[in-house]
Amino acid sequence: EAGVVQSPRYKIIEKKQPVAFWCNPISGHNTLYWYLQNLGQGPELLIRYENEEAVDDSQLPKDRFSAERLKGVDSTLKIQPAELGDSAVYLCASSFTRLAGRTGELFFGEGSRLTVL
Amino acid sequence: EDQVTQSPEALRLQEGESSSLNCSYTVSGLRGLFWYRQDPGKGPEFLFTLYSAGEEKEKERLKATLTKKESFLHITAPKPEDSATYLCAVHYVRMAQKLVFGQGTRLTINP
Repeated sequence: EAGVVQSPRYKIIEKKQPVAFWCNPISGHNTLYWYLQNLGQGPELLIRYENEEAVDDSQLPKDRFSAERLKGVDSTLKIQPAELGDSAVYLCASSFTRLAGRTGELFFGEGSRLTVL
Repeated sequence: EDQVTQSPEALRLQEGESSSLNCSYTVSGLRGLFWYRQDPGKGPEFLFTLYSAGEEKEKERLKATLTKKESFLHITAPKPEDSATYLCAVHYVRMAQKLVFGQGTRLTINP
């Protein structure tokens, strides 16, 4: 079974440029998460989707970050314009809704490492 | 304030030298505590779920335990392949459906 797929794995851009990350979750997983992970820190939730609906985006900096999940499957996270402080790893994860809150078992992709110069 | 704190930040052991990692939490209404392993350049990989004080889970050389204030990840006779960052996360009433992660412990096992 294929895991969570993210692309690109690495992206280097100059500040003020836009960038987009793509995530394909595990087939059948209706919950999708975007996490931000800074070096030496644990992941921090940016946004959570239940199917197509963003049910928790309280930590998403909406002035520059946006996300969408088309048809309740793939998702895209966009930053425009990027700032130096956005350099980090952006992790996508997926799960079965009715189990994740109980078991805590999220399936993570390998992440997209962003460097803003 | 709700917090999840892991210690130590980094731990270096010799192969076969057993030790424990700590995850302390100050949250109300704990629903579950979870351990993940993260290898360099990879996403976290789920290890264990603990629901209530006194519960224990084991997997190969790893054993996770839970009290009302903290969790321990015991590593018995570790091997170099156990080297990774170990993350704990909590799910609690105020943060429904959201996992709050600690900062992780970076474990290195020298051969």
